[in-house]
Amino acid sequence: SAVISQKPSRDICQRGTSLTIQCQVDSQVTMMFWYRQQPGQSLTLIATANQGSEATYESGFVIDKFPISRPNLTFSTLTVSNMSPEDSSIYLCSVGQSGANVLTFGAGSRLTVL
Amino acid sequence: GQQLNQSPQSMFIQEGEDVSMNCTSSSIFNTWLWYKQDPGEGPVLLIALYKAGELTSNGRLTAQFGITRKDSFLNISASIPSDVGIYFCAGLAGGTSYGKLTFGQGTILTVHP
Repeated sequence: SAVISQKPSRDICQRGTSLTIQCQVDSQVTMMFWYRQQPGQSLTLIATANQGSEATYESGFVIDKFPISRPNLTFSTLTVSNMSPEDSSIYLCSVGQSGANVLTFGAGSRLTVL
Repeated sequence: GQQLNQSPQSMFIQEGEDVSMNCTSSSIFNTWLWYKQDPGEGPVLLIALYKAGELTSNGRLTAQFGITRKDSFLNISASIPSDVGIYFCAGLAGGTSYGKLTFGQGTILTVHP
């Protein structure tokens, strides 16, 4: 399965600032996704990162708050904009495995907003 | 939207005991997945189930896709300390876009040596 690298692995951020998380995959993948895991909670899909076009956002998530880039088939970024303490979460990049409804996840980026 | 009810929320067991956890839904799912998450890591896939009634094993782990397609269980036999972690069920509902998994709330497993 694909190997996913996320940067940063963790960060402490100030309220009102923005942070960009990077996701690098060791092989070309068609499907890339961004999930959020709030403290002690389960995972929720933020958006599908589409190569060469705008991301597809799930209900409750908007592009102004979580802009996403997907310049090629191995790389994507998620920006958490104008952060507040409620944005403190683990943000996880995931990719789909060819021919199967299975996702492989990165180790996640743990953000703490003060 | 779809919801998965996962139980129990947490389990404290002795090493060597067997463990069982399950997920139920009011909606039909076409795929059931079981993941394990260790501290500081992302979820790692344990077992994938694609057909109603399917029973699949992976070492000491066994999972089944319920006949009604609305439930799944995961069993761990002869638990060991490294089984500690959070176990999540996840499902892909019919007519849902690929990659849009619905996750259960997780089961926190603690194994006492």
